[in-house]
Amino acid sequence: DTAVSQTPKYLVTQMGNDKSIKCEQNLGHDTMYWYKQDSKKFLKIMFSYNNKELIINETVPNRFSPKSPDKAHLNLHINSLELGDSAVYFCASSPQLSRASSYGYTFGSGTRLTVV
Amino acid sequence: AQSVSQHNHHVILSEAASLELGCNYSYGGTVNLFWYVQYPGQHLQLLLKYFSGDPLVKGIKGFEAEFIKSKFSFNLRKPSVQWSDTAEYFCAVIPNNAGNMLTFGGGTRLMVKP
Repeated sequence: DTAVSQTPKYLVTQMGNDKSIKCEQNLGHDTMYWYKQDSKKFLKIMFSYNNKELIINETVPNRFSPKSPDKAHLNLHINSLELGDSAVYFCASSPQLSRASSYGYTFGSGTRLTVV
Repeated sequence: AQSVSQHNHHVILSEAASLELGCNYSYGGTVNLFWYVQYPGQHLQLLLKYFSGDPLVKGIKGFEAEFIKSKFSFNLRKPSVQWSDTAEYFCAVIPNNAGNMLTFGGGTRLMVKP
């Protein structure tokens, strides 16, 4: 019963391709996030969704588009993949906004994307 | 710019040594503080958190952290490390005046020699 699950775990693809990473949470949380972890292990937030509305959108390329069909899912679609997109992408979720600050986030196991 | 800093990038210890990893933040006002651990090839797991009350917080696996407001610090400690503590450790902050954006420090890689 994984709380936050991501698929696939590993993704190897060629430059220029379009790919998607899926994320699902069964915690009943209201907010979901995508983080990128680069080769130096630095974690940076990319997007968050609350009740199907984008509430944080950091300066990421518009080739990246989050899609949330419902509050339990937040998928990440990437167009025209580039070498620099190679990283580990983590999905996370947190309770409603008023409680997230004291609760923290629950993270998925990550998707290691390698662009060749 | 507001940030979270972890000054120790790499730490190497022998088993049974004591550990202290530094974390400083530059946000004003009230903050909520977290330490996450990432074991090799695994996802982030919450070690401990502080949002109010006793500034000395105890977490899982014998870890603790102390919030010192005057120093804007939240250092992680463990009296005696084990080989299994080898991992990447991340300090993170959610400022109360910035929604719920969890911002991470750059991480500290801990290697414990058996």
